[in-house]
Amino acid sequence: SYELTQPLSVSVALGQTARITCGGNNIGSRNVHWYQQKPGQAPVLVIYRDSNRPSGIPERFSGSNSGNTATLTISRAQGGDEADYYCQVWDSAARVFGGGTKLTVL
Amino acid sequence: QLQLQESGPGLVKSSETLSLTCTVSGGSISSSSYYWGWIRQPPGKGLEWIGSIYYSGRNYSSPSLKSRVTVSVDTSKNQFSLRMNSVTATDTAVYYCASEHVVVDYAMDVWGPGTTVTVSS
Repeated sequence: SYELTQPLSVSVALGQTARITCGGNNIGSRNVHWYQQKPGQAPVLVIYRDSNRPSGIPERFSGSNSGNTATLTISRAQGGDEADYYCQVWDSAARVFGGGTKLTVL
Repeated sequence: QLQLQESGPGLVKSSETLSLTCTVSGGSISSSSYYWGWIRQPPGKGLEWIGSIYYSGRNYSSPSLKSRVTVSVDTSKNQFSLRMNSVTATDTAVYYCASEHVVVDYAMDVWGPGTTVTVSS
């Protein structure tokens, strides 16, 4: 089965750029989705198909995907961006999540 | 605007069957645009996909849970359901239902608030 690898935690200074990676074998050939989950809340889709933002998601959130790594980039990080972030792909009818990354804004 | 709401017992005894229902409002479960999925999250852990179903009844389940899981749909009630048998303490989790947009590779664009299920001995 396909596996996705994320760092357990990422820290970013307020106002700087955070990058959260999602590794997988030739993940660049797949479409990656990203979710934000704040404590006690349901996940929210923030990026779909590698780099597309749903309506209502700030332009500060962007994504890329190439080779063996997909990346979620959060520009001008704010305190409200502190959350867990999960990547997800579709694999032979199964939906696969990465283990999640806790983003801390310092 | 599509909304989803999970419902079901919050406490299930070990070895028994967990049953949850997700009610869809603001749209039709018979839409060709969506699959309907179940995802869970054990305390302090990450998200785990359980299974998904189309309005026609076509469904898929996680290989690791497939032997214990049944996902079904009731178009007349605009609901879909999850049954998981032979539960143990490791099935204690928050259970979410979500819509999966077919056109965008099943991205889960709307989630229910989640319901906590505790398996007791």
